[in-house]
This record gives sequence, C-alpha cells and structure tokens, in this order.
Amino acid sequence: QSALTQPPSASGSPGQSVTISCTGTSSDVGGYNYVSWYQQHPGKAPKLMIYEVSKRPSGVPDRFSGSKSGNTASLTVSGLQAEDEADYYCSSYAGSNNPYVFGTGTKVTVL
Amino acid sequence: EVQLVQSGAEVKKPGESLKISCKGSGYSFTSYWIGWVRQMPGKGLEWMGIIYPGDSDTRYSPSFQGQVTISADKSISTAYLQWSSLKASDTAMYYCVRYGFTMILNWGQGTLVTVSS
Repeated sequence: QSALTQPPSASGSPGQSVTISCTGTSSDVGGYNYVSWYQQHPGKAPKLMIYEVSKRPSGVPDRFSGSKSGNTASLTVSGLQAEDEADYYCSSYAGSNNPYVFGTGTKVTVL
Repeated sequence: EVQLVQSGAEVKKPGESLKISCKGSGYSFTSYWIGWVRQMPGKGLEWMGIIYPGDSDTRYSPSFQGQVTISADKSISTAYLQWSSLKASDTAMYYCVRYGFTMILNWGQGTLVTVSS
C-alpha cells in the first residue's frame, strides 16, 4: 500500500490561506470518510488537527478546516499565523487488513 | 489524563535485538488499539502496525510485516515493538499512538533508536 500523496511544500503570508491536498485511492481516502490531519513542529510529536474529514478536536482553532472530494482530501489553514509553520500529514483508514496509511507530508512556511 | 510513556533512547549495533515499550495510563488499556509509527531522520511518518490489547489482535503494514513484532501485556498496560536483528536503516524515532478507530488520539513522546557499528 503506497503512501498518500501530498505536495512537499506550501506557503503563504500571515493572514492568507493555504490549502494542502492529500490524494489516495478508492481503497483509502475515497472509500471512507476517515481522513485525519496532523501537525508536527520540529522535534515534537504530531498533534491531531482534523478527523473524519472535517471535524475539529476541542482546542483546535476554527482557522483549520478539512474537506474531501473523491480520492482527494484537503486541509485549509485560513488567516495564517507564524505558529502554523510546521509539517502537516494526512492519514486515512484503508480497511481492516492494513488499516491505516499516512501522507508524504507537507511543509508549510509562513512567509 | 491519558498518557503514553515510552522507554528511553537506545543505541545498538547491527544484528542486535531490541524491544522498546509504551505504557498507557489514564484510560482503559484493553479498549483501544495501540499502534507504532516510524519517522526516519528528516523524513515523514510511516504507519507500522497496531495491536488491540484486549485480545492481542495485531495488524501490520506490508512494509513492516516480518521485520518487527508488536505485542502487548495487558496486565501492566504496556505495548512493545521489537526487532530480532537490527539494521542501520532501522535508525529512527518510533512513536506509540492510541487510536480512536478513525484517528490517533494520543502520541507517546517517542523513542529514538540509533543503530550504528
């Protein structure tokens, strides 16, 4: 099973929006509404930002939003702030035998 | 408070065996899947496998099947990741994670494994 495909990098100025894509197949992203997104700052463990495509855990700012169309999920960060500069990874459920797969990761830079 | 506390950093030689641990607390250990995630230096996250401590049902990523063994001892709320013969390419940070089925709810602090002759 291959990793989900994300762009290596994305950037935006403070206050702007950035959208990161996550492309899989009908066996993972397209087959289930179980896409989650994780933020990782350097030297830290990742943190859950979005689950089940578009739900936000308690404490995550509403500047973070998720969506999905077909085999591609997206994470949008609106009103970019300096602290949003981090690596972002998507993940999807992929069935009971090989349940999960991560994306390749996207480095978001705040210009 | 839910916590996943992992064992400390390890430095090993190629060919040696290793078992690292992850102790869960603050929740029902037998009711949630525990997984392991690898992050090689400067690289992305890779899903390795998961175990359900309640019945020891274990699933592996095809990339890691046969390369590692995941186990759990529910009597002490601890999950394990082990290698029988380490390679230099096993050098990485390893995270244990608690799954809420559709997403990772909690991450351990990570265990850095360095394999070098």
